[in-house]
Amino acid sequence: AQTVTQSQPEMSVQEAETVTLSCTYDTSESNYYLFWYKQPPSRQMILVIRQEAYKQQNATENRFSVNFQKAAKSFSLKISDSQLGDTAMYFCALSQGAQKLVFGQGTRLTINP
Amino acid sequence: NAGVTQTPKFRILKIGQSMTLQCTQDMNHNYMYWYRQDPGMGLKLIYYSVGAGITDKGEVPNGYNVSRSTTEDFPLRLELAAPSQTSVYFCASNPTGGKRDTEAFFGQGTRLTVV
Repeated sequence: AQTVTQSQPEMSVQEAETVTLSCTYDTSESNYYLFWYKQPPSRQMILVIRQEAYKQQNATENRFSVNFQKAAKSFSLKISDSQLGDTAMYFCALSQGAQKLVFGQGTRLTINP
Repeated sequence: NAGVTQTPKFRILKIGQSMTLQCTQDMNHNYMYWYRQDPGMGLKLIYYSVGAGITDKGEVPNGYNVSRSTTEDFPLRLELAAPSQTSVYFCASNPTGGKRDTEAFFGQGTRLTVV
């Protein structure tokens, strides 16, 4: 079975700081995709960034980047220059067949002014 | 485009009652999904569909049923509601069956409480 684990239930940083959210996963597939989703208090699920497993280059989207370590099955999210609007739950997810998503437990991130 | 629309947004059910959560998408996506999110947890897959007339179980299907008569609609039926089904339910859709990195589009969720 495929699993996704987020070991940090909560994190808190000051505005403008850099923060890294951790995620580890387990899968027997050789080709797969990983995602970070943001869920603000509105409950809406928002895609932050995605990574294709066969690509060695780490994905970046503006202030968001990932550190993808395939051998270690690790997929961390770095948020640079954090902003108050980054306050949300963050979920790591693994895509399996039929694009079904397996989610981690989430990390509640609070950005303090 | 409206995207993925779920109704209702909130609902309180009594134990043993039944209800249908509605989900419709106007993007002509083939793949649709139902997830549930328990408090403080990640989403878990209940059922999914790869096209009209085709459905399959996910990780937590017990107590639920689905149907997919059209591409647009994917209702989730709760029979004999139990307190364990108190959760937030998300419907999602995905445009293709080929590329796994495609973005899933989520509805705004339905908060269901069973008392």
